[in-house]
Formats: sequence, C-alpha cells, structure tokens
Amino acid sequence: AQKITQTQPGMFVQEKEAVTLDCTYDTSDQSYGLFWYKQPSSGEMIFLIYQGSYDEQNATEGRYSLNFQKARKSANLVISASQLGDSAMYFCAMRTNAGKSTFGDGTTLTVKP
Amino acid sequence: KAGVTQTPRYLIKTRGQQVTLSCSPISGHRSVSWYQQTPGQGLQFLFEYFSETQRNKGNFPGRFSGRQFSNSRSEMNVSTLELGDSALYLCASSYPGGSEEQYFGPGTRLTVT
Repeated sequence: AQKITQTQPGMFVQEKEAVTLDCTYDTSDQSYGLFWYKQPSSGEMIFLIYQGSYDEQNATEGRYSLNFQKARKSANLVISASQLGDSAMYFCAMRTNAGKSTFGDGTTLTVKP
Repeated sequence: KAGVTQTPRYLIKTRGQQVTLSCSPISGHRSVSWYQQTPGQGLQFLFEYFSETQRNKGNFPGRFSGRQFSNSRSEMNVSTLELGDSALYLCASSYPGGSEEQYFGPGTRLTVT
C-alpha cells in the first residue's frame, strides 16, 4: 500500500522568501512518480512539478524545485521568492506504474506581504 | 491544447436520487481518474479508467461507478445519493497512463440535500 505524509497542516512565509513544504512517502514499488499540486481557493488542482523514482537529479520548474531524497523517502517542495499568489493548499502525491494515485492531506501555505 | 473539462460544474440533488458526472480528458490522454474531495476526508481516489477498462479502484461503495468510452471520455455515476456524498468531484487525465503526471479538470461541486 502507498502512503503520503504531509506533516505541516499550515505554513506561513514572508513575501520574497523561500519556503519548504515537507512530504514523505511509503511504497514497496520500485518505479513510481512523485508530484506536487497547488489548489487555490477556486478549487482547481494545478500540476507544479514531477520527479520520477529513477531520476538522479532533482526536478525544477521555474521557482519550484523538488528535493528528492530516495533513501529517506522524502520529496520536499521548495518554493523560492514566494509571491502573494502562492497562497494556496499544496498536495504531495505519488503514482505507481499501474496508475494508482495517493495524495497527502495537504499543506495550507499563506504568504504574508 | 484544451484542458480537462468537467460537466456540470455545479449540481444540487436530493437524497436517494442518482447523478452522472462527465469528464473529457486532454486530447490524446487515455487514462482518466476520479477523486472525491471533502473537508473532512481530503482527496480520495475513486477509480481509474485506462483504454475503456477500470484499472484501479479506491475504497468506495458500489453506489459509485464509472465507465470510459472509446474516445476516452469518462462518466461517473452515483446512485442512491446520501448527504455524505456532497463533495467536489475531480477528474484527472494523463498519457499514457503510468506514473506520469495527471492534469485535473475544474471539478463538479455536488450538493446533496
């Protein structure tokens, strides 16, 4: 069985500063994908970044980077230079090669001006 | 490329009724997954369809069912609605349907009275 744990229900960050959102996962699969999604108050789920289990380099997408530590089974999201528009719920997720997805409970990020 | 579309966006039903939700994936995507999101339970996986076959299923009662058509469009049906079925139902598509990222639609907000 797969499990995603996000231990931070809420986080605050000052505008223009960097913030790290924690995510640990558990799976017995060797091949899987790890993702982060952003859900603003409007409700839509926005795909941010993807890391494959065999990727040796950490994924980056603009201001988003994924700190992947396979041995520790962690996949933390780093947002650099936070903006007010980054205030949202952030979900960490995992998907196996068989297509089964598991999501964490989410972290609510609030960016302060 | 058009994104994932879901219809209807909002729906109000009465207990005991049934409802059908529709999802059109991104062109070329063959995998469609359905999720239920509630404040209390978070984001829960319902099922996934790939090439017209249900490939994965979450822990939901048999009142929840779905299907996928040859053009990859998918429908989800909930019979004998209960108050607890009130939720945001999200559909996500991916290509070709393994561990890669999913793209979500805007969701259908179902209210059961």
